[in-house]
Amino acid sequence: QLQLQESGPGLVKPSETLSLTCTVSGGSISSSSYYWGWIRQPPGKGLEWIGSIYYSGSTYYNPSLKSRVTISVDTSKNQFSLKLSSVTAADTAVYYCARHSRYFDLWGRGTLVTVSS
Amino acid sequence: SYVLTQPPSVSVAPGQTARITCGGNNIGSKSVHWYQQKPGQAPVLVVYDDSDRPSGIPERFSGSNSGNTATLTISRVEAGDEADYYCQVWDSSSDRNWVFGGGTKLTVL
Repeated sequence: QLQLQESGPGLVKPSETLSLTCTVSGGSISSSSYYWGWIRQPPGKGLEWIGSIYYSGSTYYNPSLKSRVTISVDTSKNQFSLKLSSVTAADTAVYYCARHSRYFDLWGRGTLVTVSS
Repeated sequence: SYVLTQPPSVSVAPGQTARITCGGNNIGSKSVHWYQQKPGQAPVLVVYDDSDRPSGIPERFSGSNSGNTATLTISRVEAGDEADYYCQVWDSSSDRNWVFGGGTKLTVL
């Protein structure tokens, strides 16, 4: 059964770059026509789509974050990654990775990233 | 960019029917998807493509979509249905954006 697991630092300093990795297990990240995406949720707030990468390698980003976001894939490790630059306290959130098409059908458990000095 | 509007909260007594709305400009022309999120957990898809249910989701969960409003209906509400619910669409009109509504807290009285 396909599973997703986020990993990365739980604490990032302001102005630095947040880096997270999502490891896909139980199936290949490149074997089917899915997008692999990142969604975040600030404490007590709603869900925000950050961006996604298609199995072909094409990337799509939320216009509000586009200037700071990079999503990449490493098919040899069955992983995809998120980099968010120039972070501030407003970027403090639980970050989820997910598999999706029109809708998000499989989610990781999420990882809390706090931006603080 | 496309905006989805949900009421912040809905309350319902056990056994009654809860209706959670999701408003958007001509949302009836889009496919709407709904997620349930309980505290400390990742969201779970409960309805996709307006009215389809993933395997394992009770028939009590249903959806509809027309005009400027999509609705998630939960029949015979149980205490375990208390959660946050989010609607979502894929806005293919503008460089492929996936958009979430602000979420609705369902309280079971």
